[in-house]
Amino acid sequence: DADVTQTPRNRITKTGKRIMLECSQTKGHDRMYWYRQDPGLGLRLIYYSFDVKDINKGEISDGYSVSRQAQAKFSLSLESAIPNQTALYFCATSDRVVGTNTGELFFGEGSRLTVL
Amino acid sequence: GEDVEQSLFLSVREGDSSVINCTYTDSSSTYLYWYKQEPGAGLQLLTYIFSNMDMKQDQRLTVLLNKKDKHLSLRIADTQTGDSAIYFCAEILYNFNKFYFGSGTKLNVKP
Repeated sequence: DADVTQTPRNRITKTGKRIMLECSQTKGHDRMYWYRQDPGLGLRLIYYSFDVKDINKGEISDGYSVSRQAQAKFSLSLESAIPNQTALYFCATSDRVVGTNTGELFFGEGSRLTVL
Repeated sequence: GEDVEQSLFLSVREGDSSVINCTYTDSSSTYLYWYKQEPGAGLQLLTYIFSNMDMKQDQRLTVLLNKKDKHLSLRIADTQTGDSAIYFCAEILYNFNKFYFGSGTKLNVKP
């Protein structure tokens, strides 16, 4: 089983609909992230959470919200989807950079969202 | 904010060496990473280098770090068709513990 699991893997929806992307992890990491990938733009950070009570906006948080339901679960919501939110979304986890730990990010397989 | 830049495309012939370059602006990096994304998959860590190192070698991979010029490169020796993927350069800053990614370089390996 994957260490970082995202659902759904693919979703097609219409403008104005509410969408939730879910992420769960078995790595035991405190830190979780949501990224968006667009061709030629790389990965852009939407939200991140360093523990259950800590939620922070990333560089492109407008139009998105998140919920950290537990250490292992971090969900991303689009309250009213619009076509320019069509993208590939990745959840990731990491441990802190301390000692010999490199703080490597572990990614899910991605959720492809299409907003018509 | 922090800028991490890469060229978007690289095309090489099978058996040649590939060199993917990356530049960054913040000198307070702790680690610099190379991630590989194969089609339809998430990113996976390929290799990393600690910011006080100049070079790291791992089988066919060589990472070079020039701190003065803030330049990072990944050399893949004897490039194979299975190396075709998007390669992302990333850094983590010591004080903020956040990652910054480049735009990714799509490597195309021709038989």
